[in-house]
Amino acid sequence: GAGVSQTPSNKVTEKGKYVELRCDPISGHTALYWYRQSLGQGPEFLIYFQGTGAADDSGLPNDRFFAVRPEGSVSTLKIQRTERGDSAVYLCASSLRLAISTDTQYFGPGTRLTVL
Amino acid sequence: DAKTTQPPSMDCAEGRAANLPCNHSTISGNEYVYWYRQIHSQGPQYIIHGLKNNETNEMASLIITEDRKSSTLILPHATLRDTAVYYCIVRVAGSTSGTYKYIFGTGTRLKVLA
Repeated sequence: GAGVSQTPSNKVTEKGKYVELRCDPISGHTALYWYRQSLGQGPEFLIYFQGTGAADDSGLPNDRFFAVRPEGSVSTLKIQRTERGDSAVYLCASSLRLAISTDTQYFGPGTRLTVL
Repeated sequence: DAKTTQPPSMDCAEGRAANLPCNHSTISGNEYVYWYRQIHSQGPQYIIHGLKNNETNEMASLIITEDRKSSTLILPHATLRDTAVYYCIVRVAGSTSGTYKYIFGTGTRLKVLA
């Protein structure tokens, strides 16, 4: 079946601009996660949605970052007034959340954001 | 802060077993250990996870020490396609009750040599 998809695969923008990154989770997955991966580092947690609500947004670095999931499926990560330090690969993952012991996140290919 | 430490790189001969170690000395009793790998320019791929007992699936085996302070991922017969960065992850409780999140470290870059 289809995995997690993310669009665009690459985004180049200028400092100060606004960007939106989209994530389509695996059909039926109620949990959705956003991570950010800087060069040479492991992914860093940003935010977790259970259904439509953000259950944990403790990883968002500042108020320029915002994410929504209005219908409990597709999610959009929004970054305002982009800075060069926002350049990274943004990863999305989803999971079924049927049982805590078996819960597994499945990742998309990521969106590479470059802020010039 | 990362809860795991891994060697930055390892080499393994094709066809041999690859044993990737991970230290997680501050792990709590209900925190699971997960292993993922990431091939260049792709998203992380799930391999295996466990809590206390050793686990095995079609991809790998996971050996967790009795005190749970360390674990080893074993790829029984490494192939060139197994060349990737391998992440040992602790799944911790999130900021809201009932939520969880992965804490990644910097991973081990495994190179399988022909």
